[in-house]
Amino acid sequence: DSGVTQTPKHLITATGQRVTLRCSPRSGDLSVYWYQQSLDQGLQFLIQYYNGEERAKGNILERFSAQQFPDLHSELNLSSLELGDSALYFCASSVRGEQFFGPGTRLTVL
Amino acid sequence: AQTVTQSQPEMSVQEAETVTLSCTYDTSESDYYLFWYKQPPSRQMILVIRQEAYKQQNATENRFSVNFQKAAKSFSLKISDSQLGDAAMYFCAYRSANTDKLIFGTGTRLQVFP
Repeated sequence: DSGVTQTPKHLITATGQRVTLRCSPRSGDLSVYWYQQSLDQGLQFLIQYYNGEERAKGNILERFSAQQFPDLHSELNLSSLELGDSALYFCASSVRGEQFFGPGTRLTVL
Repeated sequence: AQTVTQSQPEMSVQEAETVTLSCTYDTSESDYYLFWYKQPPSRQMILVIRQEAYKQQNATENRFSVNFQKAAKSFSLKISDSQLGDAAMYFCAYRSANTDKLIFGTGTRLQVFP
């Protein structure tokens, strides 16, 4: 158990819908990262927050957004969902440069 | 841009034997970190081992060790005394010292046979 929690574990929704994925980092970790793992794109970095502020952005679509709250939990919002958004979404938090991953949220878009 | 390449989509090893997984990377930076992550069927991403580029000594964690060749930009993972529980996808990852994002390779699926 990495200490990073993610909810929900599974999410099934329809095209065009909007979903929110939630992540709680390990106690004391200020950084939260979001990654997407899909069959065609592999593991890709989406975005990083540090203590509530956006720190770095990767290949994140405009339809996706994230935020980190004062209690340091983070949410990834995915809107206007397409079939290709079906993937495993990981959250990670870090200390001293080592990133520890949560169990992921499996998103299926039908 | 930095890239990470894992040229072995699949590898197999007999229980108790040793196996080496390959990883090469491309970067123009001199300060960076390299990682191996394990992803078992549960899909959890588990950090196996970490190497700082400024360290000449190869990292070791129990049965896992790396062969870090900075000039060749090579970072292989050796698993000794392989166990059935080692069966998983293994991802090599790069992180620049200037950013926190991880860049992953495409992974190597390791099968362990009894």
